Amino acid sequence: GENVEQHPSTLSVQEGDSAVIKCTYSDSASNYFPWYKQELGKRPQLIIDIRSNVGEKKDQRIAVTLNKTAKHFSLHITETQPEDSAVYFCAASKDGGSQGNLIFGKGTKLSVKP
Amino acid sequence: DGGITQSPKYLFRKEGQNVTLSCEQNLNHDAMYWYRQDPGQGLRLIYYSQIVNDFQKGDIAEGYSVSREKKESFPLTVTSAQKNPTAFYLCASSITTGNGYTFGSGTRLTVV
Repeated sequence: GENVEQHPSTLSVQEGDSAVIKCTYSDSASNYFPWYKQELGKRPQLIIDIRSNVGEKKDQRIAVTLNKTAKHFSLHITETQPEDSAVYFCAASKDGGSQGNLIFGKGTKLSVKP
Repeated sequence: DGGITQSPKYLFRKEGQNVTLSCEQNLNHDAMYWYRQDPGQGLRLIYYSQIVNDFQKGDIAEGYSVSREKKESFPLTVTSAQKNPTAFYLCASSITTGNGYTFGSGTRLTVV
């Protein structure tokens, strides 16, 4: 089955710097890659996602890139702010049926220091 | 609250007891899921359901049971067979599998 590895497990940056979180997946048939942000004690919330027919997607200060050949995808946060501090999870899935469940990475705890 | 509601927020269980966690959604989503979250372990799939009256085991189904009698509801029972049930439990739903999830606010279960 699919396996998703996420690095680093913790990341500390200064406010205003960029942060990059990387994930690799094992199943070349996976074609949907969302990222979730979970603030302390709260539910994970979808912040951006990408499908395999696209190489990059941006939404204001966040972007996701996908390299299908290498089977990895990354989350980029620019101009980080203290409110970006949270745990970020990547995930992967295949469309449809029992193959469509999201498989999550173990998470990255991002700390943005003011 | 976001279209998917979990209750209770906190739950305490004595050893040997079964407890049921509630999950209700009004998003008209076909698929529903239960995940367990432990520190450093990420989110692990317990059970999922793609449609009413059908559900499948996930990666860590032992000691848990579910039902899906209504599209809106997907309760999870933590049985006494689950040896280490203390965790944060998250319910989620999606239009169909292979799409992004909407999560509930979670239930924190503690064995006392």
